[in-house]
Amino acid sequence: GDSVTQMEGPVTLSEEAFLTINCTYTATGYPSLFWYVQYPGEGLQLLLKATKADDKGSNKGFEATYRKETTSFHLEKGSVQVSDSAVYFCALRGNNRLAFGKGNQVVVIP
Amino acid sequence: SQTIHQWPATLVQPVGSPLSLECTVEGTSNPNLYWYRQAAGRGLQLLFYSVGIGQISSEVPQNLSASRPQDRQFILSSKKLLLSDSGFYLCAWTNGQGVFYGYTFGSGTRLTVV
Repeated sequence: GDSVTQMEGPVTLSEEAFLTINCTYTATGYPSLFWYVQYPGEGLQLLLKATKADDKGSNKGFEATYRKETTSFHLEKGSVQVSDSAVYFCALRGNNRLAFGKGNQVVVIP
Repeated sequence: SQTIHQWPATLVQPVGSPLSLECTVEGTSNPNLYWYRQAAGRGLQLLFYSVGIGQISSEVPQNLSASRPQDRQFILSSKKLLLSDSGFYLCAWTNGQGVFYGYTFGSGTRLTVV
């Protein structure tokens, strides 16, 4: 079935550092891909999305490109802020539902 | 505009007690509705989804159940809670037809079973 794999473990980095969170997927066809962010104690918010191969989703300085050849949708930000500390989930849409990765805790240190 | 409401925000329940969590959507019709659970240290697990009134699909066997008595109302229930039911429960909706706008999540319910 459809699935999403995110890199293991939390990510801790300093303010203004470059952030990359890896995401790969397994799916039939060409699913839509998403990144969601969850701030402490809150629900999930859509960060960005891409609906077809080579699409680049972007929002709040974050970017991710839909790579069909590598079945990946890695999240990047060039210069993180303390306010970017949150849990980030990669997800794909298939069969009327969203399948999520396990999420990555990102901690940005001043 | 569309909004999604989920309540209560937090809940502490003893083992063996019943559960009822409610989710309602406003500003749209015939949405697809979802219940997810986020257990501590784990990712998001889809529990149930519904594409219409009375239509419920279960993703995992457990002591929870879901119902959709009205078009924009989705209820998660249990007759007897287990300790393992503790977690963060999220309701979500998406448009069922036409252009896909994405999934919108409620603010969640933090359930602690003691």
